Amino acid sequence: DSGVTQTPKHLITATGQRVTLRCSPRSGDLSVYWYQQSLDQGLQFLIQYYNGEERAKGNILERFSAQQFPDLHSELNLSSLELGDSALYFCASSVEAGHTGELFFGEGSRLTVL
Amino acid sequence: GESVGLHLPTLSVQEGDNSIINCAYSNSASDYFIWYKQESGKGPQFIIDIRSNMDKRQGQRVTVLLNKTVKHLSLQIAATQPGDSAVYFCAELPGTSYGKLTFGQGTILTVHP
Repeated sequence: DSGVTQTPKHLITATGQRVTLRCSPRSGDLSVYWYQQSLDQGLQFLIQYYNGEERAKGNILERFSAQQFPDLHSELNLSSLELGDSALYFCASSVEAGHTGELFFGEGSRLTVL
Repeated sequence: GESVGLHLPTLSVQEGDNSIINCAYSNSASDYFIWYKQESGKGPQFIIDIRSNMDKRQGQRVTVLLNKTVKHLSLQIAATQPGDSAVYFCAELPGTSYGKLTFGQGTILTVHP
């Protein structure tokens, strides 16, 4: 158990809809990261927050947005969903915000868009 | 059209054998490299890391080798066990990056009892 909690574990929705994925980082971790894992693209970095502020951004679509709240939990919002958004979405956390590769990943939220 | 999934390299070994998983990285600016293990239905799990000022680092039953000249990274697992069966990813982090790990495609390791 990594200590990172993600909900929901599974989500099935229709094209055009909006969903919110939630992540609680490990106790004490200030940095939260979101990654997308799909069959054709592999694991892709989306975005990172540190103590409530956006720190780094990857190839995150404009239809996607995220935030980190004062209690350090984070939410990833996906809107105007398309079939190609079907993927596993992972949240990870770390103590540091800087040059670290030791991330603790949750078990992921599997999104299926029909 | 039909999407084509990644065709991951596979490695099959017998329990007790040593395993070597290879990875080529692309970014010359990367100075920090990490290996992750992902078991079925779980998130990636950190195994070991190495910075570019080193060429070898050892952990418990694992060794990472870094060859910057040819941009190659390898993970050696000693006395492989069935519980080591998983997908193994190398990841790189450029010196100017904050947590923006770039993951390789992964290698499927299957350990036969």
